Amino acid sequence: RKEVEQDPGPFNVPEGATVAFNCTYSNSASQSFFWYRQDCRKEPKLLMSVYSSGNEDGRFTAQLNRASQYISLLIRDSKLSDSATYLCVVNTLTDKLIFGTGTRLQVFP
Amino acid sequence: EAQVTQNPRYLITVTGKKLTVTCSQNMNHEYMSWYRQDPGLGLRQIYYSMNVEVTDKGDVPEGYKVSRKEKRNFPLILESPSPNQTSLYFCASSLRQYSTDTQYFGPGTRLTVL
Repeated sequence: RKEVEQDPGPFNVPEGATVAFNCTYSNSASQSFFWYRQDCRKEPKLLMSVYSSGNEDGRFTAQLNRASQYISLLIRDSKLSDSATYLCVVNTLTDKLIFGTGTRLQVFP
Repeated sequence: EAQVTQNPRYLITVTGKKLTVTCSQNMNHEYMSWYRQDPGLGLRQIYYSMNVEVTDKGDVPEGYKVSRKEKRNFPLILESPSPNQTSLYFCASSLRQYSTDTQYFGPGTRLTVL
């Protein structure tokens, strides 16, 4: 089993839609969780950290479910500019980062 | 502007011809690392450095070398490139080595080894 698993997608959604991605992780001791955004052929950039109580940043909401070992990202009112690949990132016991392979989102007009 | 720069951005080379990809950051970050990104495999860490003269292997170090003589620079060296090193390479830096510190990535180097 991979340490971090994501549905590769693509998720094709119309503008204005709400879309959610999940990411599962295998190490129950992981403490740090993040979502990074990667535009096509460009570098990953931090979108948001994921906190135990869940957190929101504008149209983006991140949730952590420790019991089931998954994190989620919810995007409300999708924009064309949200089209990108979203990488789930989790730390290991040695505090290194493991990157998921990403979920591709395509928002269409 | 705070940034991580990499050069070259694109490189096509032949098997066995030594090459160096440079990486430089202007944020006075202690921690720097190299990743490769391949379809279906995600980002995998090649080498990392916690500070000047301190480097260590990541998950896929075979065929690569690094050095950290100055805090701002962390070049990646391929002594004898092979076709299986064809990949998209990213340099990254963070303030410290902790996972909670934001990783800042360079723009990437697309390497093709024929």
